[in-house]
Amino acid sequence: EAGVAQSPRYKIIEKRQSVAFWCNPISGHATLYWYQQILGQGPKLLIQFQNNGVVDDSQLPKDRFSAERLKGVDSTLKIQPAKLEDSAVYLCASSPQRGAGVEQFFGPGTRLTVL
Amino acid sequence: AQSVTQLDSQVPVFEEAPVELRCNYSSSVSVYLFWYVQYPNQGLQLLLKYLSGSTLVKGINGFEAEFNKSQTSFHLRKPSVHISDTAEYFCAVSNQGAQKLVFGQGTRLTINP
Repeated sequence: EAGVAQSPRYKIIEKRQSVAFWCNPISGHATLYWYQQILGQGPKLLIQFQNNGVVDDSQLPKDRFSAERLKGVDSTLKIQPAKLEDSAVYLCASSPQRGAGVEQFFGPGTRLTVL
Repeated sequence: AQSVTQLDSQVPVFEEAPVELRCNYSSSVSVYLFWYVQYPNQGLQLLLKYLSGSTLVKGINGFEAEFNKSQTSFHLRKPSVHISDTAEYFCAVSNQGAQKLVFGQGTRLTINP
């Protein structure tokens, strides 16, 4: 079974530029998550989708971050414009169903450096 | 709201020695608890989880953890570590009514030969 795919793996941009990350979850997984992992910290949930609907985006900085999951499969996370403090690893995860206690499967992440 | 504190940012141990990685959580409601491992340049992988039942939970790669409700702890242990266990370990919590995970800051486990 293929895992969660993310691209690109690395991205370097200047502040105020825009950037987009792509995630393809495990086939059949209805729930998709985007996390931000700043160096030295644990992952922080940015947004959770159930199929193509948003379940939780309470920690998404909506003035600059946006995410979509068209057709309930793959997803894109965008930052526009980027700030220095957005430098982090962006992790995508998926799970087969909604519900507490369900295992989340993580992709390898995209490491973003904002100069 | 929940929070997780991992008491050690780094833990160096010798190969074949036992190890304990400490995790304490805070929550006003009942919780589920998880340990994830992150190998270099890889995503997080579930080691084990506590949902209910026996407070001693066994996971993959010889790891186990014990849920202690009175001390609000979920410490991870392994009786004998290997070089391949070198990784970052994250403790996480979710309340029983939601899927959202709240992670600790992580503990970097370094195994010395």
